[in-house]
Amino acid sequence: NAGVMQNPRHLVRRRGQEARLRCSPMKGHSHVYWYRQLPEEGLKFMVYLQKENIIDESGMPKERFSAEFPKEGPSILRIQQVVRGDSAAYFCASSPTSGRGGETQYFGPGTRLLVL
Amino acid sequence: GESVGLHLPTLSVQEGDNSIINCAYSNSASDYFIWYKQESGKGPQFIIDIRSNMDKRQGQRVTVLLNKTVKHLSLQIAATQPGDSAVYFCAEYSPGANSKLTFGKGITLSVRP
Repeated sequence: NAGVMQNPRHLVRRRGQEARLRCSPMKGHSHVYWYRQLPEEGLKFMVYLQKENIIDESGMPKERFSAEFPKEGPSILRIQQVVRGDSAAYFCASSPTSGRGGETQYFGPGTRLLVL
Repeated sequence: GESVGLHLPTLSVQEGDNSIINCAYSNSASDYFIWYKQESGKGPQFIIDIRSNMDKRQGQRVTVLLNKTVKHLSLQIAATQPGDSAVYFCAEYSPGANSKLTFGKGITLSVRP
């Protein structure tokens, strides 16, 4: 049973370009979460999605960032017009159920975004 | 073994000793806690979890202790091995937080051979 998969593992973009990060949850998991990690810091929640629904985007910057989890295919985190401050590691996690009351989230290997 | 709070970012222990990693969580309403281990260049890896109706839970070589009175969580690793070297994070769930995990800053565990 493959774990959470993310690609690309490393992404380099110039300021102003778009970054697209993909996440395939574990088999049987229908809940996806995106977190951002800055160097020397813990992970910060960004967004929680179920298939075709955004459940909680309270941690997502209001502009330039968007996320989706379509009926078919991976979840996508999109960052438009990237700036140097977007450089970070972006992790995706998945769980089989909603997590309300606590459900373990399993993390992917992350995408390391570098904005030049 | 040594214990350290989150305000000290690095814990160095001798191989074979026991390690104790401490975490002060923020929300008294949190009812589920997880310890994750993160090796360099990898994603967080689940180690052990505990719910708020328990004060201790044991796994293989690891034990988590929860003290709700002082909002304190600790991870004990028995007979620490070089492969335990990593950054350790505690994470908490709060009811009504809509499933998001709140992570602590992390502690680097360094195992001396």
